[in-house]
Amino acid sequence: KAGVTQTPRYLIKTRGQQVTLSCSPISGHRSVSWYQQTPGQGLQFLFEYFSETQRNKGNFPGRFSGRQFSNSRSEMNVSTLELGDSALYLCASSFVQGGEKLFFGSGTQLSVL
Amino acid sequence: AQSVSQHNHHVILSEAASLELGCNYSYGGTVNLFWYVQYPGQHLQLLLKYFSGDPLVKGIKGFEAEFIKSKFSFNLRKPSVQWSDTAEYFCAAAYGSSNTGKLIFGQGTTLQVKP
Repeated sequence: KAGVTQTPRYLIKTRGQQVTLSCSPISGHRSVSWYQQTPGQGLQFLFEYFSETQRNKGNFPGRFSGRQFSNSRSEMNVSTLELGDSALYLCASSFVQGGEKLFFGSGTQLSVL
Repeated sequence: AQSVSQHNHHVILSEAASLELGCNYSYGGTVNLFWYVQYPGQHLQLLLKYFSGDPLVKGIKGFEAEFIKSKFSFNLRKPSVQWSDTAEYFCAAAYGSSNTGKLIFGQGTTLQVKP
């Protein structure tokens, strides 16, 4: 069974641009969560989607948005990039919302110059 | 605010030494607790979890953790570490039974095991 797949693996953008990251959950998993990992702030929750609906949202500005498609694949978008958005963005999936275990992908490393 | 704190940021041990990593969480009603591990070059994976029942939970690779409600703690232990346990360890909490996708993570502890 394939794991959680995130694309692209690395991304370099400049300030002011926007970026879209993609996440394909494990087959059959319907809940997808996104996290930002930085050396200073650690792992911080961004949002969670289940059945194409945002179920939970973290404390991030509106520049961070996401969506989930009917096949459970998810995308997150960051508009008007800032230097501080440089981070590893992790996607995690579980079978259902409230599932007992999250399966994490390897992440997308975003560098904003 | 809901939060998780880990006591040690960097731990260095020799092989066969015992390990205990501290984790405290803030009060917030129903809470589910987790320890995740990130081996070098690998993705985060679940070590063990506590939802209810026996407060002593056992996970993979010989790890265990004890939930002490009165102390708001969920410390991770292993009697004898191996070089392959070198990794970063994260304690996490989910507040509310349906919020296990919304984890509050501690800052992480880097464990270095010397052969």
